[in-house]
Amino acid sequence: DTGVSQDPRHKITKRGQNVTFRCDPISEHNRLYWYRQTLGQGPEFLTYFQNEAQLEKSRLLSDRFSAERPKGSFSTLEIQRTEQGDSAMYLCASSPSGYTQYFGPGTRLTVL
Amino acid sequence: GENVEQHPSTLSVQEGDSAVIKCTYSDSASNYFPWYKQELGKGPQLIIDIRSNVGEKKDQRIAVTLNKTAKHFSLHITETQPEDSAVYFCATEGDTGNQFYFGTGTSLTVIP
Repeated sequence: DTGVSQDPRHKITKRGQNVTFRCDPISEHNRLYWYRQTLGQGPEFLTYFQNEAQLEKSRLLSDRFSAERPKGSFSTLEIQRTEQGDSAMYLCASSPSGYTQYFGPGTRLTVL
Repeated sequence: GENVEQHPSTLSVQEGDSAVIKCTYSDSASNYFPWYKQELGKGPQLIIDIRSNVGEKKDQRIAVTLNKTAKHFSLHITETQPEDSAVYFCATEGDTGNQFYFGTGTSLTVIP
């Protein structure tokens, strides 16, 4: 257990529905990252926060995806109008320094 | 963006033998090279990392070597044990230092 928690651990939804995931980082870490991982692949960077500011987003990230980190603590990732291609593991990581990242256990999303 | 290639995709070794996993990257500005271990149902866990100002780093049975000129780095695990069985990912930072690019992973199996 790295100290990073994610909720829910599993989510099954129907195509077209909206979903929201939550990440609680290690409390003293000001950097937070979201990744997406599909089967047999490495994590793919989605977005990065430093405190409450979203400083970087992947150019490949659809505008159906949005993330927030109010007050620089927990973060949420929302996917609107889900598609079957959104099925993946969504990972959150936090870091005190921008180097070592501590990953949560992930949220597995299945879009039917 | 950064292109990270990782080889081999699968690796089987006898317990006690050594395992070597190699990664190449494309962005010569990358300065940080972590290795992660991912067990089934869990998020990736950092096992060792190296920065570009050193060529080698060792931590007990695990070592990483870096050749910045050739833009490749390798993970070495000696005296492998069955609990080393997992998927291993290399990663590099992107040009902004806020994005991280992961390899496609190596599934290591240590045969008792």
